[in-house]
Amino acid sequence: KAGVTQTPRYLIKTRGQQVTLSCSPISGHRSVSWYQQTPGQGLQFLFEYFSETQRNKGNFPGRFSGRQFSNSRSEMNVSTLELGDSALYLCASSRGGGGTEAFFGQGTRLTVV
Amino acid sequence: AQKITQTQPGMFVQEKEAVTLDCTYDTSDPSYGLFWYKQPSSGEMIFLIYQGSYDQQNATEGRYSLNFQKARKSANLVISASQLGDSAMYFCAMREMNNNAGNMLTFGGGTRLMVKP
Repeated sequence: KAGVTQTPRYLIKTRGQQVTLSCSPISGHRSVSWYQQTPGQGLQFLFEYFSETQRNKGNFPGRFSGRQFSNSRSEMNVSTLELGDSALYLCASSRGGGGTEAFFGQGTRLTVV
Repeated sequence: AQKITQTQPGMFVQEKEAVTLDCTYDTSDPSYGLFWYKQPSSGEMIFLIYQGSYDQQNATEGRYSLNFQKARKSANLVISASQLGDSAMYFCAMREMNNNAGNMLTFGGGTRLMVKP
């Protein structure tokens, strides 16, 4: 059974650009959550998508957005990148019923220069 | 208010010894789940163990066990027979099961465990 796949693994962007990250959850999982991890702020929840609908959102500016497709794959987009957006972005895959599972991908390490 | 607190930023343990990583939490939701994850330097978050608030017994998974003390709101991770490969960051996380929370996890600040040969 394939795990959670995040692409790309590494990314370098320039301030002001936009970026799109992708997450393919475990087969059968309908919930995808996104997290930002930085040394200063730790792990912070960005948003969750379930059955193509955003179910929950963390305290991030509108530059951070996401979507989910009918096959449960999810993308997150960050527009007008700032230096402070440099972070490890992790996505978590769950069945969706608030159960006991939350499996993470390997993350995308974004560097903004 | 911080919901998950890990008070040990870093810890050393001798190889083959047991180690306890502390985690306290705060919630008013009677139904919740507690997770522990391992994050090696590669960055991937590896699921270790889960404890539900209504589970009668402490969770165990191989060398990992969770010392769940509900009245104290603590969920400490115990790693038995430490191995060099256990050196990593360890995160405690909580999911509140009310309808508004979805699958959102709230994480503690983490504990860096270093296993000495």
